[in-house]
Parts: sequence; C-alpha cells; structure tokens
Amino acid sequence: AQRVTQPEKLLSVFKGAPVELKCNYSYSGSPELFWYVQYSRQRLQLLLRHISRESIKGFTADLNKGETSFHLKKPFAQEEDSAMYYCALIPSRAGNNRKLIWGLGTSLAVNP
Amino acid sequence: GAGVSQSPSNKVTEKGKDVELRCDPISGHTALYWYRQSLGQGLEFLIYFQGNSAPDKSGLPSDRFSAERTGGSVSTLTIQRTQQEDSAVYLCASSRTSGSNEQFFGPGTRLTVL
Repeated sequence: AQRVTQPEKLLSVFKGAPVELKCNYSYSGSPELFWYVQYSRQRLQLLLRHISRESIKGFTADLNKGETSFHLKKPFAQEEDSAMYYCALIPSRAGNNRKLIWGLGTSLAVNP
Repeated sequence: GAGVSQSPSNKVTEKGKDVELRCDPISGHTALYWYRQSLGQGLEFLIYFQGNSAPDKSGLPSDRFSAERTGGSVSTLTIQRTQQEDSAVYLCASSRTSGSNEQFFGPGTRLTVL
C-alpha cells in the first residue's frame, strides 16, 4: 500500500540551527514527491517538489529512491519557518488523477 | 486573482442532519479535489473531478457522501445523515490540468457534528 511517513510530530530548533524534517514513503514504483507547508492561519501551499530540484526559502529536498526518503532540509532555520510541514506523494501510475497521499505532518517550531 | 474559496468556513450541525459544503475553484482550473483532515490524521483524499470526465469517487468513506461539480466550476460536497466521526476539516483544491501542476488549496470548512 502507498504510504507516507513523517516520524516526527513536533520538531523544535533554535534560530540559525540546521533543520531536517524526515519523510519516508512506501511505493513500489517511481512516485512524485512534494512538500507542502501551512503557516499559522494560512492555507496549505506547495513548498517544493522533487522534479523541480529547486530551493525554496532556503529549503531543499532530495529524493533518495534507495532509502525511499524525501527529507526536507535547511541549513539555518529562521523564526518565520515555524509552520506545519506535510510530505505528500502522487503515485506515478495515477494517470490523470493527481490525488495526493499525505503524511501526518511535522510541526516545526523555530525558537529565538 | 482570487484563490480557491470555500464556504462556510465553519459548520456546526446535529447528528443525523445533512450538510452541504461549497468550493469555488480558481477560474480556468479544470481539476478539482476534495480532501478531509480529521483530528490526528493526515489528509485523506475523497473525490476528484477532471473536466467532463467521470469523477474518481474512490476516496468517499461511505454512500452518505456525495459530490457534484456544476458547469465544470463550483463543487458541492454533501454529507447526509451526519455522524460524529464526520467531524473534520474539509479541504478543496484545484489545479490547471491533471498533469504535474501545483494544487491550490482553499481555506477549508471545519465541520463539527454534535
């Protein structure tokens, strides 16, 4: 079964410290992986996707097919990074249906 | 331009009543999705509309749930004979096509069934 696992419900770091939000997935094919973010009192929005290989707001994520992981990293956390982060997957065999399979989310708190 | 909008933002209802939740997608977006987020759970796919194609209803949890999309735009999610376990935040998202385009989310409707 397709599944996305985010092992940490809450991650607390100090400003300027490195941060890594873990995401592991189970899927036999080649999925598309995403990170979505929800800041306080705002709606869910796309942060980045693995096919773009981009860095957004200093965050990067590398798809590791061997470890079936897509961890989100930032070398120096900022207070404004405090938010709920969700890892999500679209199975490559989904055809035209791009329904997302979600992890439970990790709440990141960046302390001053 | 306007983003995805949903109404109402909050809905409190009594067990056994029917509710309707509305989603207005971004103009021109052909794909529309409904998700549900229950307390302590991740987001759960409910239903997907793409243009004039038959919707993918594979995520609907029971036959009390149904959804329509009129004119390829506005969508209504209906829950009949609501139960307490239906309490959740219901999210709507739309995207330009069904390809690898970004899904844009609405603010959600928080449903509480007493």
